[in-house]
Amino acid sequence: RKEVEQDPGPFNVPEGATVAFNCTYSNSASQSFFWYRQDCRKEPKLLMSVYSSGNEDGRFTAQLNRASQYISLLIRDSKLSDSATYLCVVNAYNFNKFYFGSGTKLNVKP
Amino acid sequence: GAVVSQHPSRVICKSGTSVKIECRSLDFQATTMFWYRQFPKQSLMLMATSNEGSKATYEQGVEKDKFLINHASLTLSTLTVTSAHPEDSSFYICSARGSGQSNQPQHFGDGTRLSIL
Repeated sequence: RKEVEQDPGPFNVPEGATVAFNCTYSNSASQSFFWYRQDCRKEPKLLMSVYSSGNEDGRFTAQLNRASQYISLLIRDSKLSDSATYLCVVNAYNFNKFYFGSGTKLNVKP
Repeated sequence: GAVVSQHPSRVICKSGTSVKIECRSLDFQATTMFWYRQFPKQSLMLMATSNEGSKATYEQGVEKDKFLINHASLTLSTLTVTSAHPEDSSFYICSARGSGQSNQPQHFGDGTRLSIL
């Protein structure tokens, strides 16, 4: 079983839509969680860390469910510029070990 | 915010050449740096974890003599692809995380696109 699993998508949504991605992780001792976005042929960029109580940054909301071992990312009012691959990253109990999901591709269409 | 600079961004060279890639943390001290490789339409693959002042830890299947990593200071790590061949052509990305709390994220460099002819 993979350490981190994501639905690869693609998610094709119209501008203005709300879209949500989930990511599951296998190690219950995982300590910290992040969402990154990666544009085609570019490096990943940190979108947001995910905190236990959930957190919001503008149109983006991240949630953590430790009991079910998943994190989610909600994007409201999608923009064309949100089109990218969204990577779920989990930091294991060994804090220098990060596990990446394979990414979820989002296409926002006019 | 944390900035990681990677250089060069693009390399095209002949088979047999050794290529050196630098990764610098510009505004923070990076006790740990990571080196990844990504083939087209595939996930990031961790190659090695580099801690300042000690030997890098390589992932299974990554040849340490082929991919030499040096992390001599808190702001610089280098990856040297020795005697590169066409199958080494890929997108190489470094990342760095600061010292301190274990919940700090990684910050990525811009990546180096390596093409071996």
